[in-house]
Amino acid sequence: EPEVTQTPSHQVTQMGQEVILRCVPISNHLYFYWYRQILGQKVEFLVSFYNNEISEKSEIFDDQFSVERPDGSNFTLKIRSTKLEDSAMYFCASSETGGSYNEQFFGPGTRLTVL
Amino acid sequence: DAKTTQPNSMESNEEEPVHLPCNHSTISGTDYIHWYRQLPSQGPEYVIHGLTSNVNNRMASLAIAEDRKSSTLILHRATLRDAAVYYCTPTLNTGTASKLTFGTGTRLQVTL
Repeated sequence: EPEVTQTPSHQVTQMGQEVILRCVPISNHLYFYWYRQILGQKVEFLVSFYNNEISEKSEIFDDQFSVERPDGSNFTLKIRSTKLEDSAMYFCASSETGGSYNEQFFGPGTRLTVL
Repeated sequence: DAKTTQPNSMESNEEEPVHLPCNHSTISGTDYIHWYRQLPSQGPEYVIHGLTSNVNNRMASLAIAEDRKSSTLILHRATLRDAAVYYCTPTLNTGTASKLTFGTGTRLQVTL
C-alpha cells in the first residue's frame, strides 16, 4: 500500500540554525500539508500546498517557515532560524484531491529537537 | 472552524463494541465530519468520514445525528490495536486543500 515517507525521523539542531524536513507524498496525490504536534499537545495545521503554491497557512506559519516542492516527488518544510519552541513532531500529509470529503494520508513524522 | 467536544478518555474491553461520541454543534452545512486516530508514536490515520448519512467501512461505522451537531464513531469489536487517541474533525469545504483541525480527542484504552 502506498505511504507517505518522511526524513529524517529525528533531527537535533541548535537554536538559530536552519533545518529542512523532507517528505515524499503518495505519488498520484496533488495536495500536500504540514502539521506539527508539540509534545503532549494537539496536532496543529501549518500549511497546505497545491499546484506549486500555498493554499492556506496558519498563524504559526510565519516568515521563518517556507515550503517547496523542488522536484516531482519531494515536499519540504524549511525553518530558517529555529527557536526552542519549534521543537515538535512535524507531520507531512497528502491527499488525492483537496475537497473536504477526501482523506489525508500522514507520514510517520519527524521529531525536531531544538537545543 | 467548527468546535468539537469529545470525552478525554474512554475504556473498553477487548472484543466489545465502543461508541466514541463527538459534539460539533457549530458545524456548517457543507462540513464533512472526519474521524482520525493516532496510535502511540505515529502520525494520524484516517478512520472514516461522512456528511449526513451513516457510513460504514472496514474499520468502523459513523453515525451522524439528523441535525449534524453530533456524531458517534463505532468500533464494532475493539482490539488492543485500537488503543489510540481518536479525533473528530469537521472539515470545511474550501474548494481547495481542506485542512484538518484537531482537538484534544478521546484516548481509548482497550483491556483484555
